[in-house]
Amino acid sequence: GIQVEQSPPDLILQEGANSTLRCNFSDSVNNLQWFHQNPWGQLINLFYIPSGTKQNGRLSATTVATERYSLLYISSSQTTDSGVYFCAGLTNFGNEKLTFGTGTRLTIIP
Amino acid sequence: EPEVTQTPSHQVTQMGQEVILRCVPISNHLYFYWYRQILGQKVEFLVSFYNNEISEKSEIFDDQFSVERPDGSNFTLKIRSTKLEDSAMYFCASVDRGIQYFGAGTRLSVL
Repeated sequence: GIQVEQSPPDLILQEGANSTLRCNFSDSVNNLQWFHQNPWGQLINLFYIPSGTKQNGRLSATTVATERYSLLYISSSQTTDSGVYFCAGLTNFGNEKLTFGTGTRLTIIP
Repeated sequence: EPEVTQTPSHQVTQMGQEVILRCVPISNHLYFYWYRQILGQKVEFLVSFYNNEISEKSEIFDDQFSVERPDGSNFTLKIRSTKLEDSAMYFCASVDRGIQYFGAGTRLSVL
């Protein structure tokens, strides 16, 4: 299976700041998803982005498939953005499990 | 928007007891998964299920674990004799066009 690495492991920012989270993967992926795990442990699906760029409000993501990395951008951070952000990928469609990274813990200070 | 539903949200059990975690995947999805997340760690794959049988299982998924789709809607994970180290968040997921949709999870606490 693929290996997924995320950086930084921890990030502490003031409210209003921008942030960039990185995800590197060891092989080409057909699926790359970003999740936000809130303080209650729920996994919220942010993006499905095997390649290209997508935006959803203050969040956007870019995956450069040829270079095997993906970036998650959070602009104008709010305290509700706090939590752990995971990326996860898989190499084939169909019945293939997602491999998760170890996550980035984001803390937004008021 | 359709969603994957998991019950209960929190299950507390005594070591050695059997537990059943329940999931209702999004209707018309065909592939189903269970994942586990021990507190503070990453999410790990347990088992995948398709066409009423296990497609793949991880080394974590030993003989104490089983999965079942007893009817057209429910998908269950059973742990026969729980151990302290089974304490974790358990997530169910179903797939449509390559996108995996996760339920809110069941937090299992084994005392």
